[in-house]
Amino acid sequence: GAVVSQHPSRVICKSGTSVKIECRSLDFQATTMFWYRQFPKKSLMLMATSNEGSKATYEQGVEKDKFLINHASLTLSTLTVTSAHPEDSSFYICSARRVAAGGGYEQFFGPGTRLTVL
Amino acid sequence: KNEVEQSPQNLTAQEGEFITINCSYSVGISALHWLQQHPGGGIVSLFMLSSGKKKHGRLIATINIQEKHSSLHITASHPRDSAVYICAVRSTGGTSYGKLTFGQGTILTVHP
Repeated sequence: GAVVSQHPSRVICKSGTSVKIECRSLDFQATTMFWYRQFPKKSLMLMATSNEGSKATYEQGVEKDKFLINHASLTLSTLTVTSAHPEDSSFYICSARRVAAGGGYEQFFGPGTRLTVL
Repeated sequence: KNEVEQSPQNLTAQEGEFITINCSYSVGISALHWLQQHPGGGIVSLFMLSSGKKKHGRLIATINIQEKHSSLHITASHPRDSAVYICAVRSTGGTSYGKLTFGQGTILTVHP
């Protein structure tokens, strides 16, 4: 299957700093990328959907000024957590989607980034 | 009621046992995914189904569109199968069009 990478895999930062997480589709061009957040023992929660070259669409309740998403190319999307606070500590997962050969879509997930804000 | 319900929530098995995890959904879908998440967090996509049945190694996934139900089977289970298994559906209508809606996950533990 296709590969999606995330960097860094783990980050610890001080409260008030900003953290950037990169998501790359390594062997395919992703028409759409998704950013999810997962709390302990909970399922994934969609934060935003981004298409290359256009503004991300944020889910209700997600602050777009706090979670900046840039989708600069068909293989790279970045999530920047601005002025991070301890409550932003979480597991962030990106996912990349491409059109499947037989029609429809295929979606692949990155390994996730664990953010800890002290 | 959640749009995607999985059962059981927790499952413990002995090595070698046949395992079934169920997923029921209440919305119209274009596809259903089965995902695996190991401790440490990384998610692996196991199957994407829109009809019928798929098999990969010891894993089998089936879907019944009319009954809005899917099952994931693991034959000859092994301790390395221990993980959280997540069912996710791609909706076809409303505000959730094209997005994945996730089940709450099934925690599988296989003992040697």
